[in-house]
Amino acid sequence: AQKITQTQPGMFVQEKEAVTLDCTYDTSDPSYGLFWYKQPSSGEMIFLIYQGSYDQQNATEGRYSLNFQKARKSANLVISASQLGDSAMYFCAMREGRSGAGSYQLTFGKGTKLSVIP
Amino acid sequence: DTEVTQTPKHLVMGMTNKKSLKCEQHMGHRAMYWYKQKAKKPPELMFVYSYEKLSINESVPSRFSPECPNSSLLNLHLHALQPEDSALYLCASSQERGTSEYLEQFFGPGTRLTVL
Repeated sequence: AQKITQTQPGMFVQEKEAVTLDCTYDTSDPSYGLFWYKQPSSGEMIFLIYQGSYDQQNATEGRYSLNFQKARKSANLVISASQLGDSAMYFCAMREGRSGAGSYQLTFGKGTKLSVIP
Repeated sequence: DTEVTQTPKHLVMGMTNKKSLKCEQHMGHRAMYWYKQKAKKPPELMFVYSYEKLSINESVPSRFSPECPNSSLLNLHLHALQPEDSALYLCASSQERGTSEYLEQFFGPGTRLTVL
């Protein structure tokens, strides 16, 4: 089974509108972290936002917020007031555990390509 | 300085060539990573170095040879590559694991490798 599922291969949004990118995850580890990265066509992976499994509140970073629903195992990214520069590939990723070799690893979803329309 | 640098940005090589990719960070991170990313796919972990020692090798073919000469530098030596090895190679670094599951990885801009 996939550990990170992003069901939207591509999304379109009008400039200045909000958009939600879906991410569901699967883990039996009580300790995990969820990350969202943005990858423009230039290739660099840009960290956007982080949510820890024990965090009580949803994470927010400027125009980015993470809608964390632990019971549903979902961690959707919300981008408010979309800008043309938001057009990029977006990856949801998970890190499980706090120790052991596996705790280094980020498991990535397949990504969602967001296109912002003027 | 929250930057990871990678050189070169682009590399074209033949199957008999030997080349190296270089990655550098000055954030004091003691974990460094190599990823391979094919077009329209997520990054795939290749190697992890922790305190300059190889910690994870994800069954990568021996034609890829990593090296961590010091805590700031990470190299990937390439020899006898195949055309299917053409990809974007990303380097990343992070603090070492601690008591939190939070471990942001800072990525470099990548090297776009083409093997002819």
